[in-house]
Amino acid sequence: AQSVTQPDIHITVSEGASLELRCNYSYGATPYLFWYVQSPGQGLQLLLKYFSGDTLVQGIKGFEAEFKRSQSSFNLRKPSVHWSDAAEYFCAVANTDKLIFGTGTRLQVFP
Amino acid sequence: DAGITQSPRHKVTETGTPVTLRCHQTENHRYMYWYRQDPGHGLRLIHYSYGVKDTDKGEVSDGYSVSRSKTEDFLLTLESATSSQTSVYFCAISDSPPYEQYFGPGTRLTVT
Repeated sequence: AQSVTQPDIHITVSEGASLELRCNYSYGATPYLFWYVQSPGQGLQLLLKYFSGDTLVQGIKGFEAEFKRSQSSFNLRKPSVHWSDAAEYFCAVANTDKLIFGTGTRLQVFP
Repeated sequence: DAGITQSPRHKVTETGTPVTLRCHQTENHRYMYWYRQDPGHGLRLIHYSYGVKDTDKGEVSDGYSVSRSKTEDFLLTLESATSSQTSVYFCAISDSPPYEQYFGPGTRLTVT
């Protein structure tokens, strides 16, 4: 069965530091992959998506993600974190007409 | 932002009472989804709709029913609410899966 694993439940970084959030997926065919962000008390907002082509995709708010088929990974990165990036981040894979979400990674940013 | 509203935004109800949550969209998207979000579980799909009167179950559909009589509205009903259904419920819409889904602001439901 298709699944998404986000191995880090909680990550803490200092403002200005680089960030990498991990996502591993299990899917038989070419996956369609997404990263969403959820600020406290809000709905989910799409950060970026991968359907095909260039394996490094750029998103909003300075985020990027790299698709690595050999590692079944789609890790989210940002070179320099801002305090406003504190939120919960969800990775998802499309399964026909549905999305399967990981359990999320909560990012805390220290000044 | 996609035009998605959810009502009510907050609700407290007693065990055994029926509850209906409404999702309304102004985007004319074909697909609509209901999720619940609980700590440690991420988002889990309850039911979804792929057109007017066309619905299907998700992974946590027990105790829930849905209806879609118009493109813009998708209703989630808890026939007899239980404490295990205390959660935050999100509606999402999508034009053509497997493309991205757009989420509403959520409804916080507490069953006492």
